Amino acid sequence: SSELTQDPAVSVALGQTVRITCQGDSLRSYYATWYQQKPGQAPVLVIYGKNNRPSGIPDRFSGSSSGNTASLTITGAQAEDEADYYCNSRDSSGNHRGVFGTGTKVTV
Amino acid sequence: QVQLQESGPGLVKPSGTLSLTCAVSGGSISSSNWWTWVRQPPGKGLEWIGEIYHSGSTNYNPSLKSRVTISVDKSKNQFSLKLSSVTAADTAVYYCARSYDSSGWDRSSWWVDPWGQGTLVTVSS
Repeated sequence: SSELTQDPAVSVALGQTVRITCQGDSLRSYYATWYQQKPGQAPVLVIYGKNNRPSGIPDRFSGSSSGNTASLTITGAQAEDEADYYCNSRDSSGNHRGVFGTGTKVTV
Repeated sequence: QVQLQESGPGLVKPSGTLSLTCAVSGGSISSSNWWTWVRQPPGKGLEWIGEIYHSGSTNYNPSLKSRVTISVDKSKNQFSLKLSSVTAADTAVYYCARSYDSSGWDRSSWWVDPWGQGTLVTVSS
């Protein structure tokens, strides 16, 4: 299957921890990559690989994987973390297709 | 660092062809990366359109494959998107980006970074 499913929306109190999940068969073969998108802006890479953060991404963002589910955790959410979050991976069927998750709106 | 900039008409007539170009600066389009197009209809999620390697090898989203052509111009350090027979459903912000593939001992990885700022293309008469 080439679908990646995310919860449509989650909310978190300021300073608390929130976990966003992404489910799909391809995640048994691929680590999920995570992007943050704020209104009117291009997506920004926040987690890639097993649990890597690009330069400039705060260490309150972390990623994990188990079976067909990947998670993005924000530990100590800040007001500026309010955004849409998307996961992605390659399709694991071998056709090299890219797939994006359905997106999660995080409200802080 | 690498920067990408989309350009092209912001308005396309139904049944026409959408044409966009992505200029790559700060790096070579002949590097070992795929060059990618992603779109986002207003208020909706991200959709992968396709990608090209500097050799000219391409991969396309099966749902768009019959209408999409992605090409590369190494002399100009840019790549392009053409989408034919457009309808209102093709109205979206179109992003160009660079993508990476990496193979790990347990799982592989694929990520898209950086992204262009995006350009809104409206399909309307």
